[in-house]
Formats: sequence, structure tokens, C-alpha cells
Amino acid sequence: QVQLVQSGAEMKKPGASVRISCKASGYSFTSYHMHWVRQAPGQGLEWMGMIDSHGRRTIYAQSFQGSLTLTRDSSSTTVYMELTSLRSDDTAVYYCARELPDSYFLDYWGQGTQVTVSS
Amino acid sequence: QSALTQPASVSGSPGQSITISCTGTNTDVGGYKHVSWYQHHPGKAPKLMIYEVSNRPSGVSNRFSGSKSGNTASLTISGLQTEDEADYYCISFTSTGTYVFGTGTEVTVL
Repeated sequence: QVQLVQSGAEMKKPGASVRISCKASGYSFTSYHMHWVRQAPGQGLEWMGMIDSHGRRTIYAQSFQGSLTLTRDSSSTTVYMELTSLRSDDTAVYYCARELPDSYFLDYWGQGTQVTVSS
Repeated sequence: QSALTQPASVSGSPGQSITISCTGTNTDVGGYKHVSWYQHHPGKAPKLMIYEVSNRPSGVSNRFSGSKSGNTASLTISGLQTEDEADYYCISFTSTGTYVFGTGTEVTVL
């Protein structure tokens, strides 16, 4: 069965970086794009960016340009999300979610990773 | 890219129908069929309910339906059930190749 298993909770200080992993299994890893979405406390879902199925193309929401990097490793079927220069308002639950290319919807999601940014 | 506009909350009695709107612009909702809807229970992963405006994935109840007119997409839940209580979000593809979520709607079953 399709599974997206994310790494555990992180606690970081302002200005630091965080890297979250999303381990995929149960499907052809290189056949799906991967998106990242976050939800800050009391806020709605926010789309962050996407890496294509082969890792050749990324696209980021304007608010994350320069601070977000998505990568993927086919050998370990894992996608990584790195967010730099963390601020307190980056405290959120972060989700990975897959998309079949040109389907424009996210059919399976990871369980979410809590990132807390606090001094 | 501004978030799509959804009502903050919608409520209904069991068995009633409710509709959640999702309003954008002609560079997102109005320009593409690529609108999907997600049900989100806090602390859990969001669940796909509708894709490409009006298509229902297998396993999703036929009480859920979607439509679009101009710059506004809508999700209708008919025969409302207590298990439908959750937050609902729309998301649209945009002309810049990015995606934008709606502001989210809390559905309450009275």
C-alpha cells in the first residue's frame, strides 16, 4: 500500500535550518511529483512547493523563494524539504503529498511533522 | 498569490445539505479545471474529496459533489452526517505554475 512516512518532530532556534524527510513506499517513486504543505497553529493549509518526479524541476511559492529547497533521492525513495533562516512563524506541521504528473491533485499525504521554532 | 476565499464556517443539521464556496480569480479558479477539495481533521493528514472541480475519488461518499462557475468553485455535502465535521480546503492551480489553498471552512453538524 502507498505510504509516505515523515521524519519526527523538530525543535529549532530562530535563524537555524530544518530538514524533513518523506520516505515513500508502495508505488513507483519516480512516477510521482511531491508537494509540501504546512499548517501553522490556528491557521489554514499553505502550499509551499513541488519537486517533479525525477527531481529535475522545482517550483516554490513566492513566499518561500530563497528559503526553501526540495530534493529527492531515488535510491532511498525519499524526498527532503529544507527550510532555512527559520523564524517563530515557521512553527507549523509540515506535510508531504504526492501528485501524479498532470493530475493536479494530491492523493496521498504523509502523517505530518511538527516543527517548533523557539529561542 | 492571495489565498482563495472560503467562508470561515458553515453549519447544518444532520440530513441537510450545505455548500462551501471557494472564490479566486481568473488566474487560478476561473482559469483552470484544476480545483480540488480536501477534508482535514486536526492532527491528521488531509483527505482528497474532489478533484478536477467535480470528480470524486473511489471510496469517497457520493454525498460529496463539486462544481464551478466563473471564479468560484463549490463543494456540496448532501445528507450531512456527524462524521462530516471537519475543516475543508479548496486548492487551485495558478497561472504561475504554483498552487494556492483556500482559507478553509469549518463544518459543524448541529
